[in-house]
Amino acid sequence: AQSVAQPEDQVNVAEGNPLTVKCTYSVSGNPYLFWYVQYPNRGLQFLLKYITGDNLVKGSYGFEAEFNKSQTSFHLKKPSALVSDSALYFCAVRAPDTGRRALTFGSGTRLQVQP
Amino acid sequence: NAGVTQTPKFQVLKTGQSMTLQCAQDMNHNSMYWYRQDPGMGLRLIYYSASEGTTDKGEVPNGYNVSRLNKREFSLRLESAAPSQTSVYFCASSDREGRGQPQHFGDGTRLSIL
Repeated sequence: AQSVAQPEDQVNVAEGNPLTVKCTYSVSGNPYLFWYVQYPNRGLQFLLKYITGDNLVKGSYGFEAEFNKSQTSFHLKKPSALVSDSALYFCAVRAPDTGRRALTFGSGTRLQVQP
Repeated sequence: NAGVTQTPKFQVLKTGQSMTLQCAQDMNHNSMYWYRQDPGMGLRLIYYSASEGTTDKGEVPNGYNVSRLNKREFSLRLESAAPSQTSVYFCASSDREGRGQPQHFGDGTRLSIL
């Protein structure tokens, strides 16, 4: 079975400060890892993914995520937060051999960036 | 380019009623998905369609049926609605490269079952 944990329901950060949204996972084999963002009353938007290669993955809107195999983590980061980054963030995982089967999503972390 | 379009946006049903949620994508994607989103639980896959004419059960298929009418459209039907099916439903799609990974989502259907 595969699972994802997002240990923080909410993260608060001041505009201009760096932000981190945490994600840890459990999966058999090498994971495929994803981050999505959801704005109010909208569907999810894909931010970035890790399949293989460089542990630091860059994505949309200045976000990046670092894959750490020993800690089974895939934390989302941004050097300087914007008020417009305030949204709900989801981490997701799947094992490579599950093919068309579902991603497993975390429960989400609400990011609040204060001006 | 509309992406993924879901109708209706809101619906209130009584227990036992039936309804069909509609989804269409205009990106020529092969794969389409139906998810439900409940507070504190992330998204859970209801059904998946890898291509026209094929459908597979996801994590929570009970109480639902789907139809992949053509490459563009993927509908979700509740035959006899139950209060436990109160949720926000999202349709998503992905191209061949994104197999198994939803790339584009609709804006959701907010469904309440009384």
